[in-house]
Amino acid sequence: QVQLVESGGGVVQPGGSLRLSCAASGFTFSSYGMHWVRQAPGKGLEWVAFIRYDGSNKYYADSVKGRFTISRDNSKNTLYLQMNSLRAEDTAVYYCAKDTRNYYGSGSYVDYWGQGTLVTVSS
Amino acid sequence: EIVLTQSPATLSLSPGERATLSCRASQSVSSYLAWYQQKPGQAPRLLIYDASNRATGIPARFSGSGSGTDFTLTISSLEPEDFAVYYCQQRSKGITFGQGTRLEIK
Repeated sequence: QVQLVESGGGVVQPGGSLRLSCAASGFTFSSYGMHWVRQAPGKGLEWVAFIRYDGSNKYYADSVKGRFTISRDNSKNTLYLQMNSLRAEDTAVYYCAKDTRNYYGSGSYVDYWGQGTLVTVSS
Repeated sequence: EIVLTQSPATLSLSPGERATLSCRASQSVSSYLAWYQQKPGQAPRLLIYDASNRATGIPARFSGSGSGTDFTLTISSLEPEDFAVYYCQQRSKGITFGQGTRLEIK
């Protein structure tokens, strides 16, 4: 069965950096695009970033563009999110999520989600 | 950016009743719209994709309709486990989510 396990969350000061990881199993990781989606405490879902199945194309929400970088290592079945210049408004649970479509260039929908990892930006 | 506006913000109904949730897009998204259900402490679950297609394992009481800018999620007869928050999401131009509709027990 599909499993997505995030790690790397924690407390970081404003302006700091953090790297999230997501270990994937139960499907052919290298065939699917992957997303990061976040949810601030008590708030709704916000899409953050998408990476194409082969890593050749990446897309970002305006709110994180230039500060966050999505990447993947298909040899390790792992997705990453490098977060720099963190702000208080980046505080959220970050979900790793699998796209529904294989070999698709841009993001579609999400059919599997991880359990999420909490990032808290606070001094 | 395409903005999705969901209404109502909160819907109070009883088990067995019919629920109708709305999602309106700021510009046409064709049929590129999905619906998700999220329960407290859980990740979201895909219910409907491409406006009207049920995802794998989703009960037939869930249905989606609409195209262009106006979409509806209908739950024909509410079960106790259906009380949750529902989000719409478009993939026509970038990816955005609506702000959610909370479906609560009356």
